[in-house]
Amino acid sequence: GENVEQHPSTLSVQEGDSAVIKCTYSDSASNYFPWYKQELGKRPQLIIDIRSNVGEKKDQRIAVTLNKTAKHFSLHITETQPEDSAVYFCAARQQAGTALIFGKGTTLSVSS
Amino acid sequence: GAVVSQHPSWVICKSGTSVKIECRSLDFQATTMFWYRQFPKQSLMLMATSNEGSKATYEQGVEKDKFLINHASLTLSTLTVTSAHPEDSSFYICSARTLERGGELFFGEGSRLTVL
Repeated sequence: GENVEQHPSTLSVQEGDSAVIKCTYSDSASNYFPWYKQELGKRPQLIIDIRSNVGEKKDQRIAVTLNKTAKHFSLHITETQPEDSAVYFCAARQQAGTALIFGKGTTLSVSS
Repeated sequence: GAVVSQHPSWVICKSGTSVKIECRSLDFQATTMFWYRQFPKQSLMLMATSNEGSKATYEQGVEKDKFLINHASLTLSTLTVTSAHPEDSSFYICSARTLERGGELFFGEGSRLTVL
């Protein structure tokens, strides 16, 4: 089955800096890669996603890149703000009807 | 749209009792629901996949007789933790998939179970 590795497990940045979180996946059949933000005690919230037919997607300060050949994808947050502090999870999925398999998460801390 | 409601949001029970958690899709039909478990400071681990009207498919290591899943309608799935023990204490989150939104998953609010 699919296996998703995520790095780093913790990331501390200063407000205004950029943050990058990287994930690799094992199953070449996976074609959907979402990123979730989870605040303590709350449900994960989808912040951006990318499908395998696209190499990059951007939404304001957030961008995701995908390298299918290398089977890795990354989340980029620019101009970080304290409210960006949370746990971020990457995930991968093979087909539309299957479950998401999550990475272990990255705790991002943005200090002002 | 695409709201998933989960109930209860938190529950405390005694060891040996059973607890039922409900997951409802409020404004769409969920042909498939997924149940995840999340221990403190850990990731979401898939427990089972539930399709409406059929038996759930459990992930390796998840006891189907302990975690009973029922998906009797297109808007409701339930997870029953039977004979709960302290090690079952966790955050349980359901997610529902809707075909109308390209298969995107929507998560319930989660249910925090504490077994004394």
